[in-house]
Amino acid sequence: NAGVTQTPKFRILKIGQSMTLQCAQDMNHNYMYWYRQDPGMGLKLIYYSVGAGITDKGEVPNGYNVSRSTTEDFPLRLELAAPSQTSVYFCASSSTTGGYEQYFGPGTRLTVT
Amino acid sequence: GQNIDQPTEMTATEGAIVQINCTYQTSGFNGLFWYQQHAGEAPTFLSYNVLDGLEEKGRFSSFLSRSKGYSYLLLKELQMKDSASYLCAVRDGNYQLIWGAGTKLIIKP
Repeated sequence: NAGVTQTPKFRILKIGQSMTLQCAQDMNHNYMYWYRQDPGMGLKLIYYSVGAGITDKGEVPNGYNVSRSTTEDFPLRLELAAPSQTSVYFCASSSTTGGYEQYFGPGTRLTVT
Repeated sequence: GQNIDQPTEMTATEGAIVQINCTYQTSGFNGLFWYQQHAGEAPTFLSYNVLDGLEEKGRFSSFLSRSKGYSYLLLKELQMKDSASYLCAVRDGNYQLIWGAGTKLIIKP
């Protein structure tokens, strides 16, 4: 199993540009999450999904959108990128509510200038 | 509000024992997790406590006291590869994970 995969690994965006961060898992997990991690800070939940077709906002959803058309994929869309969105983004999945054990992807390092 | 506190940084010596504390105040409690995160990498799961007491897993142990809102992660026989950040996370009453900022552990020879 590849586990949780994320693309791209690194990206530099100009202010106002848009992009989609890809996330896929091959563990047949129902629950998937998007986090951001700023330097020296804990993980902040952006969006989560409890199954295909169901998504919900986390703690810091503004400026982001998600979709979950399949169990495997959970892309994160950034519209009109801002410098405040410079961060490391992690996708995670788990097999039970809230995550008895969350498996993380390798992360995407995004810089907005 | 919900809050998780853990020390920002700790230093220990190779071969020694270190205890990383975590205190929490959350709306409801459905378990506490410890994750390890090496610099530039993703977090990986270490332990899970939902009942009071000590859970031992090799060189790592985790303790929970729900009445005190307190947990610690105990690392024994420290190795250089244990240099990492250790993240405490609490699953609240809505089954959402609330994360601490992490404790950076520096191991010296």
